[in-house]
Amino acid sequence: DAKTTQPPSMDCAEGRAANLPCNHSTISGNEYVYWYRQIHSQGPQYIIHGLKNNETNEMASLIITEDRKSSTLILPHATLRDTAVYYCIAFTSGTYKYIFGTGTRLKVLA
Amino acid sequence: DVKVTQSSRYLVKRTGEKVFLECVQDMDHENMFWYRQDPGLGLRLIYFSYDVKMKEKGDIPEGYSVSREKKERFSLILESASTNQTSMYLCASSLPGLGYEQYFGPGTRLTVT
Repeated sequence: DAKTTQPPSMDCAEGRAANLPCNHSTISGNEYVYWYRQIHSQGPQYIIHGLKNNETNEMASLIITEDRKSSTLILPHATLRDTAVYYCIAFTSGTYKYIFGTGTRLKVLA
Repeated sequence: DVKVTQSSRYLVKRTGEKVFLECVQDMDHENMFWYRQDPGLGLRLIYFSYDVKMKEKGDIPEGYSVSREKKERFSLILESASTNQTSMYLCASSLPGLGYEQYFGPGTRLTVT
């Protein structure tokens, strides 16, 4: 399974875009990139996932580099409620197993 | 909305006790999972189940067992609780197959004294 690396913490001003990077240089062709977040005292919440193409939903955008060795989660207009730990996960197709790292603690500042 | 519920938010047990953590999901999901979360270690998979009465070991199954008698319910059992099992326990469920997100419950914070 590919391992992902993320910066331990980031700050972002409220209303600005939050760009959270993830390195997954050993990802293989059948591994999806998933993003979850965990707000304090709650279970993780699914945000978005992708394989090769960039993806967008109502919560965020996911930009995956062409070589698939890294990706960026973009929260277009961060709010205080987006303060959370964000996990980038490489999920191998054909298994059920997520490998969660320690994530990036995003703090949105007023 | 998918709802995954866990029987307790907080639980305190004594060393050597048998502990049951219950998880129920209401979306008819085939897959269910148990994780534990510890500071600095992230979430680690203990067991998962892809069907009733089916189970697979995750990364850290030692000291735990599971039971899935009904599709909506997945139980985690600590046969003889130890202090190193003090942790946050998270249950999740998902549809079968690929590309389906996992829905997590709120977690149970277990303290073993």
